[in-house]
Amino acid sequence: DAGVIQSPRHEVTEMGQEVTLRCKPISGHNSLFWYRQTMMRGLELLIYFNNNVPIDDSGMPEDRFSAKMPNASFSTLKIQPSEPRDSAVYFCASSRRGLAGFSSYNEQFFGPGTRLTVL
Amino acid sequence: AQSVTQLGSHVSVSEGALVLLRCNYSSSVPPYLFWYVQYPNQGLQLLLKYTSAATLVKGINGFEAEFKKSETSFHLTKPSAHMSDAAEYFCAVRSGGGNKLTFGTGTQLKVEL
Repeated sequence: DAGVIQSPRHEVTEMGQEVTLRCKPISGHNSLFWYRQTMMRGLELLIYFNNNVPIDDSGMPEDRFSAKMPNASFSTLKIQPSEPRDSAVYFCASSRRGLAGFSSYNEQFFGPGTRLTVL
Repeated sequence: AQSVTQLGSHVSVSEGALVLLRCNYSSSVPPYLFWYVQYPNQGLQLLLKYTSAATLVKGINGFEAEFKKSETSFHLTKPSAHMSDAAEYFCAVRSGGGNKLTFGTGTQLKVEL
C-alpha cells in the first residue's frame, strides 16, 4: 500500500499568493479529512468528505479556504489569498466509511503532511 | 458534544521506566476512543482504539490503554519506556457521524537515558 500521498511536502510562498495542497487517499477509502496543525491551536479538522461530498466544513477558517474532491482518488485544499497566519502543517487522512450510526468505526490513515510557510 | 482532555503537555521519563499518559473524555454517547502517535516530521499513526469491546486495549509497540467509565478516562501506558517511544501522543474521541474524530492537544513524551 502506498498510503496517503500528499504534495508538496514543503511549500514556501509570499503573502497574497494562492496555495494549492494536494492529497491522494488510499485506494478503496471513501472518507477524506483535511487537518491543520499548529503549535498554538493543535490539530484542527478543517473539512471532511464522504464519497466525494463535503459533509462538514465548519472547521474551515474563512472564505479564503476552499476544498474540493472531484473524484475518489484526489482532493485539493486551496488558500487564496494566503496570509502568514496560515503557516502550519496540513494533513490529509482517509478511511473506509463504516456502517451508519455509531455501531462501527474504521481508523483514519494520515499522510505525511505539507509544511506551509507564508512569508 | 464529544471531547477529550490530555493532562500534561510534556512528560519526561527515564528509559525503562513506566510511561503513563493521561486522557479524560466527555461524551454524550458510548465513546469510541483512540490513541495516535506522531513521530517528528510524520503524520499520525494509530496506536490503539477502544470500541466498546474489552476495556483493556492492547496496541502496537507494547502500549496499552484501559477504558474506565467511572473515571471517564482512557490513559495510555507502557511498562518500560524505550528511546524510540519519544514522540507526541494524541488522544481522540469519535465525534459526530462517520469517522470524524476530535483530538486532544497532545502530550510530548521525552525519554531520557
